[in-house]
Amino acid sequence: SQQGEEDPQALSIQEGENATMNCSYKTSINNLQWYRQNSGRGLVHLILIRSNEREKHSGRLRVTLDTSKKSSSLLITASRAADTASYFCATDATSGTYKYIFGTGTRLKVLA
Amino acid sequence: NAGVTQTPKFQVLKTGQSMTLQCAQDMNHNSMYWYRQDPGMGLRLIYYSASEGTTDKGEVPNGYNVSRLNKREFSLRLESAAPSQTSVYFCAAGRQRGSQETQYFGPGTRLLVL
Repeated sequence: SQQGEEDPQALSIQEGENATMNCSYKTSINNLQWYRQNSGRGLVHLILIRSNEREKHSGRLRVTLDTSKKSSSLLITASRAADTASYFCATDATSGTYKYIFGTGTRLKVLA
Repeated sequence: NAGVTQTPKFQVLKTGQSMTLQCAQDMNHNSMYWYRQDPGMGLRLIYYSASEGTTDKGEVPNGYNVSRLNKREFSLRLESAAPSQTSVYFCAAGRQRGSQETQYFGPGTRLLVL
């Protein structure tokens, strides 16, 4: 079963608007990562947030983590058409038989 | 630096045929992974290798075998392909820093089993 579930499944916004996507997970984690996937390509790492961190920034990306709610959010500010992609969260479970579990992804479309 | 490379990019198989998907990394990372990606399912881990000489099952290992030939190469074999194995397969290499690991993905192999 999937550890991470992204919400919404799909999101369509206008260029310049902010995009927010959420990830919920089930078990305790060491850290949570967000990845991006352009259509037909492999995933690219965006940002990692540790379990003892609440917020992290990288350029136009802002990630928050609420371990009490087992959830994280990814905010992309001032979106561009080039941000059109699928975004996945990945959790590093503190227990379990394998390293990272990816969510089902949010498909973001930014309209020019 | 090529990063993570995968061959072939596309493959069509008939049910029952076998094939090996190749993956190589030039980043000197210890961990390597094989995932499959199906529409609406995200990525599911098939097998992983924490270091040269070790392999472990992931979430969906049935119908697959792997071989960590050396630190650079991690291959995935389908002994008798089934239509349910139609998918996009991604290989990844993991860079570890303490308890954290960042994964670097290859471009994927698109497999169609008829």
